[in-house]
Amino acid sequence: AQSVTQLDSHVSVSEGTPVLLRCNYSSSYSPSLFWYVQHPNKGLQLLLKYTSAATLVKGINGFEAEFKKSETSFHLTKPSAHMSDAAEYFCVLGGGGNKLTFGTGTQLKVEL
Amino acid sequence: DAGVIQSPRHEVTEMGQEVTLRCKPISGHNSLFWYRQTMMRGLELLIYFNNNVPIDDSGMPEDRFSAKMPNASFSTLKIQPSEPRDSAVYFCASSFGRDTYEQYFGPGTRLTVT
Repeated sequence: AQSVTQLDSHVSVSEGTPVLLRCNYSSSYSPSLFWYVQHPNKGLQLLLKYTSAATLVKGINGFEAEFKKSETSFHLTKPSAHMSDAAEYFCVLGGGGNKLTFGTGTQLKVEL
Repeated sequence: DAGVIQSPRHEVTEMGQEVTLRCKPISGHNSLFWYRQTMMRGLELLIYFNNNVPIDDSGMPEDRFSAKMPNASFSTLKIQPSEPRDSAVYFCASSFGRDTYEQYFGPGTRLTVT
């Protein structure tokens, strides 16, 4: 069975401090993993993707994620948060006929 | 590229009325997906097409919902009759290839049924 768990529904950081959004997955297949971001009243935008190449994946806007098979994790990080990073972030698992399994989302709040 | 285009962006309608949501996928993409997003249930896949053929409609909530893809550049999601519990944001997404998983989302249609 395919599943993805986002461990925090809300994360709050100060501007300029690091961001960590946690995601664990369960998959029968060799997984494809994605992080999407959704700004208020907008569609989902692909941040980065892992598809069995390098385990450290770099995305847009300074975000990156590391695939750790031993921990079944795909956590999203950014060294220094910016106010514009405030949004909802979805960890997404691909597998099984082009269908995506979405996490429940993590709301990131960035404070001055 | 203009990205995935959805119309209308907002729709307010009365219970019992027919609602039609429209989507134009990215040119060259051959898979199209309809999702519904609510606070209670998050993002749900309703149906997806590959090469204009419905592959999986197991997420369509009931017979009031129907989706069509008459050609590679256009799809509709219809609700008839609409009910207040259908109020949600409906997203269309497209991708290239059958198993690539990387999907590009439209801006969504916010539907309110009163």
